[in-house]
Amino acid sequence: NAGVMQNPRHLVRRRGQEARLRCSPMKGHSHVYWYRQLPEEGLKFMVYLQKENIIDESGMPKERFSAEFPKEGPSILRIQQVVRGDSAAYFCASSPPRGDSYNEQFFGPGTRLTVL
Amino acid sequence: GQNIDQPTEMTATEGAIVQINCTYQTSGFNGLFWYQQHAGEAPTFLSYNVLDGLEEKGRFSSFLSRSKGYSYLLLKELQMKDSASYLCAVINYGQNFVFGPGTRLSVLP
Repeated sequence: NAGVMQNPRHLVRRRGQEARLRCSPMKGHSHVYWYRQLPEEGLKFMVYLQKENIIDESGMPKERFSAEFPKEGPSILRIQQVVRGDSAAYFCASSPPRGDSYNEQFFGPGTRLTVL
Repeated sequence: GQNIDQPTEMTATEGAIVQINCTYQTSGFNGLFWYQQHAGEAPTFLSYNVLDGLEEKGRFSSFLSRSKGYSYLLLKELQMKDSASYLCAVINYGQNFVFGPGTRLSVLP
């Protein structure tokens, strides 16, 4: 059973370009979370998605950032017109359908975005 | 509001015991997690507490006091490989994880 997969692992973009980050959750997991981590800082929640639904996007910047989790395929975090301040590690986590017990989040290896 | 506090950095010696504290104020409480994160890598699960008390798992233990909004992670018999960041995270009523800033632990020989 493969873990959470993210690609690319490293992404370099010039200011003004678009960045597309992909996340494939663990098999059987229907919940996906995206986090951003700046150097020397903790994880900041961005968005929580289920298949075809955005459940909570309270941590997403209002402009340039969007996320989706289609019925088929990976979840995508899209950053339009990137700026230097977008340089960070972006982690995806997945969890199984919520039941009575806690749902641990399993993290992917992250995508390190560098904006030149 | 949501606020989780941890010390920024700690240093300890190989073989020693270290306690990493975490205090939280969140919109509701549905459990507290500790994660370990080595530099450049993904966080990995260490422990989960939802009831008051101590949970022991090998060299690592985690304690929770819900009335005080307080938890600690206890690492015994420290090894060099324990040098990492330790993240405290609380599940709030929205069922979302709120992460603290992390504590960077350096284990010295």
